[in-house]
Amino acid sequence: RKEVEQDPGPFNVPEGATVAFNCTYSNSASQSFFWYRQDCRKEPKLLMSVYSSGNEDGRFTAQLNRASQYISLLIRDSKLSDSATYLCVVNVANRDDKIIFGKGTRLHILP
Amino acid sequence: DADVTQTPRNRITKTGKRIMLECSQTKGHDRMYWYRQDPGLGLRLIYYSFDVKDINKGEISDGYSVSRQAQAKFSLSLESAIPNQTALYFCATSARYSRGSSYNEQFFGPGTRLTVL
Repeated sequence: RKEVEQDPGPFNVPEGATVAFNCTYSNSASQSFFWYRQDCRKEPKLLMSVYSSGNEDGRFTAQLNRASQYISLLIRDSKLSDSATYLCVVNVANRDDKIIFGKGTRLHILP
Repeated sequence: DADVTQTPRNRITKTGKRIMLECSQTKGHDRMYWYRQDPGLGLRLIYYSFDVKDINKGEISDGYSVSRQAQAKFSLSLESAIPNQTALYFCATSARYSRGSSYNEQFFGPGTRLTVL
């Protein structure tokens, strides 16, 4: 099983719709979790951290399910500007504080 | 000014040439990383450094070397470039705990697009 797995997509979603991505991780020692956004040919940037209690930032909601070892990202009222690749990132608590990136899920918002 | 800078931004070179990619940061972070990104393969870690005297291999270190010249500078070298090292290279920094940031949040430079002919 891969350490961090994401559906590569692409997800083609009409503007205004709600879209959700999941990401599964294999290491139960994973300590912290993030969603990054990457635009084409640009650097990844932090979208939001994922807390045990879940967190919301405007139209974006992130959830963590430790029992099933997955995190999710929900985007409501999607905008054309949400088109990007969304990377799931997991920090494993060990000596090396290993950070593992998923390969990303591509999202296309259609006008 | 950008917090994490990379030079050059684009480079075309020939097989067998020595190439150095440089990264500088003004965030005061102790941790620095080099990644490469290829279509369909995601980000792969080449080397990382938790402080000036600490250098560690990542998952794809063969054919690369690094130097941590100072806390703010981390350079990546390709001693003898080959075509399959054509990729987008990112430098990143992080700190375990930093005001205004999440635990070990990574901040990326703008990337260097390297083409080896």
